[in-house]
Amino acid sequence: DQQVKQNSPSLSVQEGRISILNCDYTNSMFDYFLWYKKYPAEGPTFLISISSIKDKNEDGRFTVFLNKSAKHLSLHIVPSQPGDSAVYFCAATKYGNKLVFGAGTILRVKS
Amino acid sequence: EPEVTQTPSHQVTQMGQEVILRCVPISNHLYFYWYRQILGQKVEFLVSFYNNEISEKSEIFDDQFSVERPDGSNFTLKIRSTKLEDSAMYFCASSLEGSAYRSPLHFGNGTRLTVT
Repeated sequence: DQQVKQNSPSLSVQEGRISILNCDYTNSMFDYFLWYKKYPAEGPTFLISISSIKDKNEDGRFTVFLNKSAKHLSLHIVPSQPGDSAVYFCAATKYGNKLVFGAGTILRVKS
Repeated sequence: EPEVTQTPSHQVTQMGQEVILRCVPISNHLYFYWYRQILGQKVEFLVSFYNNEISEKSEIFDDQFSVERPDGSNFTLKIRSTKLEDSAMYFCASSLEGSAYRSPLHFGNGTRLTVT
C-alpha cells in the first residue's frame, strides 16, 4: 500500500536554514492532509494540516504547500531549530480520521 | 495540555496468549482509535470507535481483535490469541469530532507489544 509516500528517509539541515520535507500521494480521493511530528518514545503530535481546496497553510515557522495536480505536498520549516529534530509523518484522509500515513522522514537540525 | 495515556508502555507476551492494551483518552473526546506501527513500517489504522460501537475497521482488524470502552474513561484493545506478527507499537488516539477537518487526532505515547 503506497498511497502516501515520503521518499526521503532522512534530511539534515543547519540550524537557521530552511527544512523542506516532501510527500506524494496517489489516491485522488484524499481531500485533507496533515503533518505529524514524532519524538522517540512519544506518539505522533499534530503539527499542521491543509484542505485540498487550498494550496498553502501557514502556522508560525511551519508552512504546508499542496500541489493537487502533481499530488504533492511539502512542509517548510523556517528557520529550523535543533528542537525540530524528529520524525515527520505526512498523512492523508478522504473522510473522517482514518489517516493513511507515509513512512516518515527523520529530520536532523544541526547547531 | 490534556493527554492520551496508554498503559503499559511495554508488554511482553507469549504467542497464543491474550493481551489487553489500555488507554485513557482525553476526557471530553468522543472518538477513539487504535493505530499500530510494526518496526520499520508505516503507522497503520486499525479501528475507530464512537458511541460505543466500531465505526470503521481495517482489514488488519480481524476476529482476533476487539475494542471496548468498559467505563467512562478507559478504551481497550484486546488481542485474543497473539501471533508473532502482532509485535508492534500500538497507538491509541482520540478526537473531539470525527473529522480531521475539525479535530485532528491526539495520540498517546504507545504500548510496545512484543510477542515471543
